[in-house]
Amino acid sequence: AQSVTQLDSQVPVFEEAPVELRCNYSSSVSVYLFWYVQYPNQGLQLLLKYLSGSTLVKGINGFEAEFNKSQTSFHLRKPSVHISDTAEYFCAVSDTGTASKLTFGTGTRLQVTL
Amino acid sequence: KAGVTQTPRYLIKTRGQQVTLSCSPISGHRSVSWYQQTPGQGLQFLFEYFSETQRNKGNFPGRFSGRQFSNSRSEMNVSTLELGDSALYLCASSLGGSTYNEQFFGPGTRLTVL
Repeated sequence: AQSVTQLDSQVPVFEEAPVELRCNYSSSVSVYLFWYVQYPNQGLQLLLKYLSGSTLVKGINGFEAEFNKSQTSFHLRKPSVHISDTAEYFCAVSDTGTASKLTFGTGTRLQVTL
Repeated sequence: KAGVTQTPRYLIKTRGQQVTLSCSPISGHRSVSWYQQTPGQGLQFLFEYFSETQRNKGNFPGRFSGRQFSNSRSEMNVSTLELGDSALYLCASSLGGSTYNEQFFGPGTRLTVL
């Protein structure tokens, strides 16, 4: 079984500042890692994913994340945030054998202000 | 290409009743997964259907069931509703092959149990 920990429930940040949302996972098997974003009253949208290969993955809207196997982390970063980035962000993991079964973290609310 | 659609978008039921939610996947997608999202428990995997067969299952009681039709549309049913079943129910579709395929989420059905 896998588990995901998102330590920060809320992250306030000023517009154009950099941001990092933290995610740590636990698993005894090989995993895929994901970041999803959820805007109010909407479903989830995939930001980026790590399947294999390069540990630095780039996603949509200028986001990137780095897979660190030794620290079992997959932190999400953006060098300069915009007001429109205000949303809930979820880190998720699946084992490579059942990729459709996602285990989610509890989410981080990113609040961008002027 | 149309996205994942879920009907109805909002539903109010009373305790003890049963409810059926519907999910129409993206054309060509054969896998449909269901998730429950609540403030207390977060996002939790319910089950996945692929080619009309349940392929994966989460840890939910037998009151939660689902099925998939030959056109890949899926329904989930919750019998004997409890107050704790109030949640946003999300479905996600993917091509569903043996390798990783991106899941696309619908906007969800918000169920309120009174």
